[in-house]
Amino acid sequence: QKEVEQNSGPLSVPEGAIASLNCTYSDRGSQSFFWYRQYSGKSPELIMFIYSNGDKEDGRFTAQLNKASQYVSLLIRDSQPSDSATYLCAVKGYSTLTFGKGTMLLVSP
Amino acid sequence: DGGITQSPKYLFRKEGQNVTLSCEQNLNHDAMYWYRQDPGQGLRLIYYSQIVNDFQKGDIAEGYSVSREKKESFPLTVTSAQKNPTAFYLCATQTSGSANTEAFFGQGTRLTVV
Repeated sequence: QKEVEQNSGPLSVPEGAIASLNCTYSDRGSQSFFWYRQYSGKSPELIMFIYSNGDKEDGRFTAQLNKASQYVSLLIRDSQPSDSATYLCAVKGYSTLTFGKGTMLLVSP
Repeated sequence: DGGITQSPKYLFRKEGQNVTLSCEQNLNHDAMYWYRQDPGQGLRLIYYSQIVNDFQKGDIAEGYSVSREKKESFPLTVTSAQKNPTAFYLCATQTSGSANTEAFFGQGTRLTVV
């Protein structure tokens, strides 16, 4: 069974710090990788996606992918209290999207 | 407005009752998915459909049924065989034919057994 693993947290960081969220996956055939943010009681919203090894930056967010290590991460620079949410890592293979259980991030003012 | 509409937002089910959750999309996406989320848990795949009139079981299909008679619609029925149906249900869509596309989510239906 395809697995996506995330540390459940909570990960606590002060405002302005860098938050680092990590995800590992079991299926070497995985093709694309997504980070979603989910506020309590709401549906997930896409933050970033990455397909190729290396880094991809979008504003305060950087996704990093290492297919050899089967590892994907999300860095959030200058963390804000509004970033407090659960971050879900999702991995797509041939046909379906598999989600991790999510990491809760708490940014304190 | 383009998007995914799930209804109802809240649903209450009595023991032994079947209920149907609606998911409609006007994004012209081929693939549609149903996920279940329990408190503090990630999303678990119930059923998915890549094309009209075809669907596949996900990881936790027991006690659920679906249909895909139209591209725009992918309703989920929670049957009385599902013993613990209280959860947050999410419908998602995705353009098929390429791995490199993100999934978009509806606003979810919160189902509670009373």
